[in-house]
Amino acid sequence: AQSVTQLGSHVSVSEGALVLLRCNYSSSVPPYLFWYVQYPNQGLQLLLKYTSAATLVKGINGFEAEFKKSETSFHLTKPSAHMSDAAEYFCAVSDLGDDKIIFGKGTRLHILP
Amino acid sequence: GAGVSQSPSNKVTEKGKDVELRCDPISGHTALYWYRQSLGQGLEFLIYFQGNSAPDKSGLPSDRFSAERTGGSVSTLTIQRTQQEDSAVYLCASSTRGGGSEAFFGQGTRLTVV
Repeated sequence: AQSVTQLGSHVSVSEGALVLLRCNYSSSVPPYLFWYVQYPNQGLQLLLKYTSAATLVKGINGFEAEFKKSETSFHLTKPSAHMSDAAEYFCAVSDLGDDKIIFGKGTRLHILP
Repeated sequence: GAGVSQSPSNKVTEKGKDVELRCDPISGHTALYWYRQSLGQGLEFLIYFQGNSAPDKSGLPSDRFSAERTGGSVSTLTIQRTQQEDSAVYLCASSTRGGGSEAFFGQGTRLTVV
């Protein structure tokens, strides 16, 4: 069964530092991949998604993710963290031809002043 | 509607009672998903619908959980004989066609079983 692993349930970075949130998936066939964000007391919203058009995907708020088939990874990055980036981030996967979307356990990002 | 609507937003129930959670998806969205969010557990997949059919019910935790969707629109998630471990936030999402489409989430129903 398809699965997603997010390394680190909590990640802390200083304001202005690089943000790197890790995500690995289990499928042998490149699936659809997503990153969602949940700000405090808000619903989940889509940050970006990979659907095979390009391996480097740009999303909202300066985030981007790179699909690496050889590593079965889809890590999320942002060059310079801002206090407003503090939130929980979820990686998700959906196999081709399957509507089910499976989420990882999430990574809570803390921004240090 | 403008977004995915879930009701009630909060529900406190006594152990052993049945509860119904409602989800009203975005108009025209054919795919509808239910997830359960517990602290440290991420989003646990429960079930999804394509139209009124539920191709995958594998995530339902037990036979106390059931869901239906009518008219390709509103969905209800029913939990019978609630237990304390059922306490969580239940999230509903919808998308235009599933698969690689963006899923739009509701605000969730916070269920507390006492």
